[in-house]
Amino acid sequence: QVQLVQSGAEVKKPGASVKVSCKASGYTFTSYDINWVRQATGQGLEWMGWMNPNSGNTGYAQKFQGRVTMTRNTSISTAYMELSSLRSEDTAVYYCARVRSGYSLYWGQGTLVTVSS
Amino acid sequence: EIVLTQSPGTLSLSPGERATLSCRASQSVSSSYLAWYQQKPGQAPRLLIYGASSRATGIPDRFSGSGSGTDFTLTISRLEPEDFAVYYCQQYGSSPFTFGGGTKVEIK
Repeated sequence: QVQLVQSGAEVKKPGASVKVSCKASGYTFTSYDINWVRQATGQGLEWMGWMNPNSGNTGYAQKFQGRVTMTRNTSISTAYMELSSLRSEDTAVYYCARVRSGYSLYWGQGTLVTVSS
Repeated sequence: EIVLTQSPGTLSLSPGERATLSCRASQSVSSSYLAWYQQKPGQAPRLLIYGASSRATGIPDRFSGSGSGTDFTLTISRLEPEDFAVYYCQQYGSSPFTFGGGTKVEIK
């Protein structure tokens, strides 16, 4: 069965970077794009960007341009999302999701990133 | 960027009642590339509808989606206890693939 398993919760200081991983199983990793979506506590969903695991091509929401980097390691079927220059407003649960034709049927369990001094 | 506005913000209904949720786009969503998700506390979103009206695998037929262009609707024909949750629409026709702000369906 398709599974996306994300790395554990992180606590970071303002100005630091965080790198969240998303390990895929149950399908061919390079066949489907990966989206990253975040959700601040009690707030809605926010699309951050996408990555094509086959080519490594990416597309980021303008809000995150210059601060986010999405990469992958195809040998271990893992996608990564790195967010730099963290501020308190980046405190959120970060999700990876497998994309098919733009929508996401399969989601990771989420990774809580807390930014606090 | 396409802005999606969901209404109402909160819908208070009883089990067995019909729920009608609206998602309005600031510009036309190409090819009806609109999805609906359900989210419960502490859980990842669950895909309900894609392509504006196609039910995802395993989704009960009490959930239906309709609409095109800038106006989309999610209808739950008869609310079951497990349907009380927050619902989001998302457009994936034009990057950035934005989400609406959500509609909470709560028990009256």
